[in-house]
Amino acid sequence: AQSVAQPEDQVNVAEGNPLTVKCTYSVSGNPYLFWYVQYPNRGLQFLLKYITGDNLVKGSYGFEAEFNKSQTSFHLKKPSALVSDSALYFCAVRGSGYSTLTFGKGTMLLVSP
Amino acid sequence: DGGITQSPKYLFRKEGQNVTLSCEQNLNHDAMYWYRQDPGQGLRLIYYSQIVNDFQKGDIAEGYSVSREKKESFPLTVTSAQKNPTAFYLCASRVTWGEGNNQPQHFGDGTRLSIL
Repeated sequence: AQSVAQPEDQVNVAEGNPLTVKCTYSVSGNPYLFWYVQYPNRGLQFLLKYITGDNLVKGSYGFEAEFNKSQTSFHLKKPSALVSDSALYFCAVRGSGYSTLTFGKGTMLLVSP
Repeated sequence: DGGITQSPKYLFRKEGQNVTLSCEQNLNHDAMYWYRQDPGQGLRLIYYSQIVNDFQKGDIAEGYSVSREKKESFPLTVTSAQKNPTAFYLCASRVTWGEGNNQPQHFGDGTRLSIL
């Protein structure tokens, strides 16, 4: 079985401050990890992925994520938040023996001016 | 432009009625997926298909049916057996050949289904 936990329903941060959205996972074998963002009444947009290699992955719109195998975590980060980053963020995992993604329940990011 | 088109954007269902949600992609992707999104519950997999004329049940398939007669199309029917169909439905696709397992899913913009 594979699972994803996003422990925070909502994260609040002021514009210009760094942000972190947390994700932990459980999977058999090597994990393929993904972050997506969703704006209201829209589909999910891909931000970044970890497959193998460097633990720090850089993605779209200045976002990055750090893979930590020992803590089974894949936290999303950005050095300086923008109001336009306010959206719903999903972490997802697929184990190497699986053909489907399992998504977390999502974290709402609110960036205040 | 390549992408995934879901239609209609909004759909209303009467009691006892079946409704079909359309999903078309021109990305030449082999695999297609249907998800249901409810507030606070994330995305839950309804059905998926990795090849034409074949599909598998996901975690919440009861009350839904699909077909995959063409590579580009993966329609979802919400049957009258689905007693709580009000939700946001998302279709996705991805490459499966080569480095396919490394590739992300691409999503359409969803269909919001409500009960009259």
